[in-house]
This record gives sequence, structure tokens and C-alpha cells, in this order.
Amino acid sequence: NAGVMQNPRHLVRRRGQEARLRCSPMKGHSHVYWYRQLPEEGLKFMVYLQKENIIDESGMPKERFSAEFPKEGPSILRIQQVVRGDSAAYFCASSPTGDTEAFFGQGTRLTVV
Amino acid sequence: QKEVEQDPGPLSVPEGAIVSLNCTYSNSAFQYFMWYRQYSRKGPELLMYTYSSGNKEDGRFTAQVDKSSKYISLFIRDSQPSDSATYLCAMSPPGTYKYIFGTGTRLKVLA
Repeated sequence: NAGVMQNPRHLVRRRGQEARLRCSPMKGHSHVYWYRQLPEEGLKFMVYLQKENIIDESGMPKERFSAEFPKEGPSILRIQQVVRGDSAAYFCASSPTGDTEAFFGQGTRLTVV
Repeated sequence: QKEVEQDPGPLSVPEGAIVSLNCTYSNSAFQYFMWYRQYSRKGPELLMYTYSSGNKEDGRFTAQVDKSSKYISLFIRDSQPSDSATYLCAMSPPGTYKYIFGTGTRLKVLA
């Protein structure tokens, strides 16, 4: 049973470009969470999705950030017009239900130059 | 005041030592408590998942929760160099999926 798969592992974007981060949950998991980790800081919740639904996006910046989890395919975290402050590690986690332990992927490290 | 406080370390111990890692929290509604291990430039790996107060043991790891003191601990027995990593505590209230993480404690086990 493969774990949570994230790609790409590393992503470099110039300021103003778009970044697309992908997450395939563990088999049998329909709940997906995105977290952001800045250097020397803990992980911060961004958004919680189930298939085709955003359940809670209270941790997402109001502008430029969006997330989706379509019926088919991976969950996508999209950052438009990236700025240097978006540079961070973005982690996806999944769980079989909304109130059980979550398992994390290896993360995507976004660098904005 | 942060909701979850965790000493960042680094904590250096000799191989074979018992390691104690701790977090304090302010929200009495937290019911689920987790410990994750994160190696450098890797994703967090779930070590322990506990509900409410008490102890839970898994191999060399023991998690303790003291809700009256709002204090959780992770003990590692017979520590190994391979245990060198950052240990993150996380917690959430019931009926929610949002984990609140500590900033992590860096542990180094010296051979």
C-alpha cells in the first residue's frame, strides 16, 4: 500500500508564475489536508478537502491560493503569481475518515526566485 | 501565547539514553494527541496517536498525556543514532481535523 504521494518533490518558480502541487492520498483515503511548513516553524493547516468538496479552507491565504480534489485524479494546491514569501515546504496528508490519524507525504519544496 | 509550545532544542543525548520530549498546550478542548518524527527534508512520520489522558506504549516509544496539566510527553528508550530527527507534537479537539503542531524538538543521539 503506497503512502501519500506528492509531486514534484522540488519546484522552482520565478516571481509571478504559477505553482501546481499534486497529492495522491493513500489507497482508501478520501480525506486530504494541506499544510505549509516555513523554515524553523511548525506545520500550519491550510485546507481540508474530501472528494469534490472543500470542507475547510480557513488556513488558506485569501488571494492567489486555491485547492481542489476532483472525483478522479490527485488533489491540487495551486498558487498563482507566486511571491518570495510563498517559498516553503508544502505537505499533504490523508486519512480514511475526518477524525482519525493523518499520514503525511514527503512534501513539495517550493522555491520562488 | 502559542496554542502549543515545544522546546526547539537541540537535544543531544548519548546512545542508549532515555529521551524525554514534551509539549504544553493552552486549549483544554484538545482530545487527540499525536507525535510525529521528521527527518531532514522528509515528511512527518506518525509515531503515536493517543486519545485523551493516559499512557500508550509502542516498542521503545511511550506517549503520556496529562490533560489536567495540559502537558504531553514522548519517551524514547534505548535511543539510537537513527532516532536523530525532529519530533513534532500535534493535537486537535474532537470533531475536527485541524492539527495544531508544535514547532518541533531537534534530537541528536550520539554514537
